[in-house]
Amino acid sequence: SAVISQKPSRDICQRGTSLTIQCQVDSQVTMMFWYRQQPGQSLTLIATANQGSEATYESGFVIDKFPISRPNLTFSTLTVSNMSPEDSSIYLCSVDEGSRYGYTFGSGTRLTVV
Amino acid sequence: GENVEQHPSTLSVQEGDSAVIKCTYSDSASNYFPWYKQELGKRPQLIIDIRSNVGEKKDQRIAVTLNKTAKHFSLHITETQPEDSAVYFCAALPDYKLSFGAGTTVTVRA
Repeated sequence: SAVISQKPSRDICQRGTSLTIQCQVDSQVTMMFWYRQQPGQSLTLIATANQGSEATYESGFVIDKFPISRPNLTFSTLTVSNMSPEDSSIYLCSVDEGSRYGYTFGSGTRLTVV
Repeated sequence: GENVEQHPSTLSVQEGDSAVIKCTYSDSASNYFPWYKQELGKRPQLIIDIRSNVGEKKDQRIAVTLNKTAKHFSLHITETQPEDSAVYFCAALPDYKLSFGAGTTVTVRA
């Protein structure tokens, strides 16, 4: 299956600042997904990122807070803007590898906002 | 949108016993049902999946069953081992976006 790398793996940030998370895949994929996993909770989809078009955001998530870039078929970034302690979560990217491997997740970024 | 409910939220079993986790979904268009295992501090890993044209699928000690009429699917782990301790998530796919259940924390007691 695809190898999905995320950077950074973890970070501690001051409130009011922004953090950009990178997701790199070792193969070309059409759709990439960004999830948030709050402590002890399930995975919540933030947005779907397609190359060459605006990301599609889920209810409760807005582009001003979570801008996403998708410059090519192997890379995407998620920015968490104007952070508050409530943004402390694990952020995961995911790709659809089709019928053989299903949906695969990156290694995740553990964000703590202080 | 799709709503996936998962039960129980926690499950403690004796090593060697079986574990069963159940999920229900709401959208009849869902046609793909994966199960993920997430160990502490790690990413979710796909352990088994089933598509809507199949009623049961088995892979060694794990199996998944699907009842499309009742809109529910289940994960069965037999002969549980300590390394099966983890959080398990079910999910359903009605279009291209996975909807996840709330998760089940499985603890296997030695």
